[in-house]
Amino acid sequence: AQRVTQPEKLLSVFKGAPVELKCNYSYSGSPELFWYVQYSRQRLQLLLRHISRESIKGFTADLNKGETSFHLKKPFAQEEDSAMYYCALSANSGGSNYKLTFGKGTLLTVNP
Amino acid sequence: KAGVTQTPRYLIKTRGQQVTLSCSPISGHRSVSWYQQTPGQGLQFLFEYFSETQRNKGNFPGRFSGRQFSNSRSEMNVSTLELGDSALYLCASSFSTGGNTIYFGEGSWLTVV
Repeated sequence: AQRVTQPEKLLSVFKGAPVELKCNYSYSGSPELFWYVQYSRQRLQLLLRHISRESIKGFTADLNKGETSFHLKKPFAQEEDSAMYYCALSANSGGSNYKLTFGKGTLLTVNP
Repeated sequence: KAGVTQTPRYLIKTRGQQVTLSCSPISGHRSVSWYQQTPGQGLQFLFEYFSETQRNKGNFPGRFSGRQFSNSRSEMNVSTLELGDSALYLCASSFSTGGNTIYFGEGSWLTVV
């Protein structure tokens, strides 16, 4: 069965500091990984997906299959980055069915 | 394009009652999935529907059920409510299953007293 682990429930950094939100996964097949973000009083929304290899709002994430990790990074954190971040894994659950499994989330606070 | 719409947004129920939550997906999306979000457990997958068929089911008791209609709208039902069912119930839609980006609604806040 697939599993997503976000080891830090809370992460606090100062504005301008680098930030890394950790995500580890377990899955025997070829995973598709996502980061979702939930800003205060807003709906959960996609931040980025590994297959796109893009940078969104200065965030990047690299899939490391050897370490089964998909850490989210930003070189210079901004106060508006304060939010709840969820790592998610889409995996085949049989036939053509896929299941999205979320980690428990990391609450990022960027202090001025 | 309108986003995922969930109704009602807030509701309070008594233990033992049942509740039905509704979700209208983004136009053209045929996959609808439901999640329960709580402070302690985070986001937990309930079930997914695609073309009116349940494709996946999470580890929730049979009191939790759902369905999808021909217009892709979906409902979930919780019977014999327990205090522990108090949560934010999120609906998400996507064009199809399997690795597609899913788009979330704002959720239905259920409080069981």
